[in-house]
Parts: sequence; C-alpha cells; structure tokens
Amino acid sequence: AQKITQTQPGMFVQEKEAVTLDCTYDTSDPSYGLFWYKQPSSGEMIFLIYQGSYDQQNATEGRYSLNFQKARKSANLVISASQLGDSAMYFCAMREGEGNNDMRFGAGTRLTVKP
Amino acid sequence: GAGVSQSPRYKVAKRGQDVALRCDPISGHVSLFWYQQALGQGPEFLTYFQNEAQLDKSGLPSDRFFAERPEGSVSTLKIQRTQQEDSAVYLCASSLEPYGYTFGSGTRLTVV
Repeated sequence: AQKITQTQPGMFVQEKEAVTLDCTYDTSDPSYGLFWYKQPSSGEMIFLIYQGSYDQQNATEGRYSLNFQKARKSANLVISASQLGDSAMYFCAMREGEGNNDMRFGAGTRLTVKP
Repeated sequence: GAGVSQSPRYKVAKRGQDVALRCDPISGHVSLFWYQQALGQGPEFLTYFQNEAQLDKSGLPSDRFFAERPEGSVSTLKIQRTQQEDSAVYLCASSLEPYGYTFGSGTRLTVV
C-alpha cells in the first residue's frame, strides 16, 4: 500500500508568489518523521525540512515551512517568495518508528517557477 | 569525505552483463541506504545497513540484486545478469542519526 501520496504531478507558480505542495501519509506507528527533499535536474537529493510526529509546532527553514496536520495525516510543504531556482522535483518522505530506519518516498511533484 | 560519493556516475551495460555500483558514505556514518529511482518516479527503497549488518533487504527486486558492506564503510550494490528494467538511477544515502540523511549524486545505469 502506498504510504506517501503526492497528488500533484506538476505545479506552476509565479516568481515571488507562495506555493503549497501536497503530501499525505499513512502509518499506524505513533512515532514517525516526515521529510521534504528537492531534486533539481542535476539529480542530487537536497534535504529541505523535517517534521517529527511529536513536534508541537510546524517546522520552518527559511522560505520553507511544513503545514503539519496530524489528524488529517498531511504534511504539505509551503515555499514562500518563489525563486526561479526553486524549479525542481520535490519529494515527500516518511520514516516510521524509532531509530534510523529507511525512508519511503512519494512520487514527487515537479514545480516550475515562471518569471 | 565531505559528502557521500558514488561511482561510477554513469554506467552503460549490455543486457546480461553484471555491474557493481560503489557507495562511499560520510566517514563515521553508521547507517547506509540504497534506493532505486526510475525515470520520473520517486526513490524506491532497496536495502539498509547498520555498520556491516544488512538489517533490511526487503526492497531488493530479485535475487539478481546483492548488496554488501563488509567493513561497515564502503558499500557495493551488485546486479547480476542486468535486464532493461534495471535501468534507473541508484542512490545511496548515509546517516549518523535518525534526522539527517545525506544522499550521493547517484549512479545512472542504462541497460541496452
């Protein structure tokens, strides 16, 4: 069963505008971590932001914030003030349980920032 | 080293050929993961090591795939008798603690 769902294959946003990339997840484990990664055309996976299941507040990292709605099992990424360099694939991922377990990824969303 | 290093960066293999992909993790990182990323898709988990112990290999698609990390540092992913459906980018990641995964740039395997 798919554990991470990203329903937007592609998104467009105007430069300097904000954009939300959707992610829903499925787990029965009370302890889990949620991640967002950026993958530009060069292929490397760049870590953006992390949210733990027990964190009380939404994670923020610069222009990135994570809209964590635990009851709805959603972890949407918000990018504020989009820049042309934000154009890339964005992947949501989840790691279940305690300890250093593997991550499972969604199918990704391709974001294109228009000038 | 400063990051996770993977080699080769690109590999073209004839169908039926064996290949070996190398991952050199960040020094001291206990955990090492291999992922397979097909074109246009998200990375799919293959296998996971903690030091030299392979704790999870549930994602390996067939018995043609084999991974090892004999001394708990460098890891090799071997694919025997490659087939066209093995064409993908193979990503390696390492981690010291549950929070921070660092990925390598990947090896793009093309089977012709």
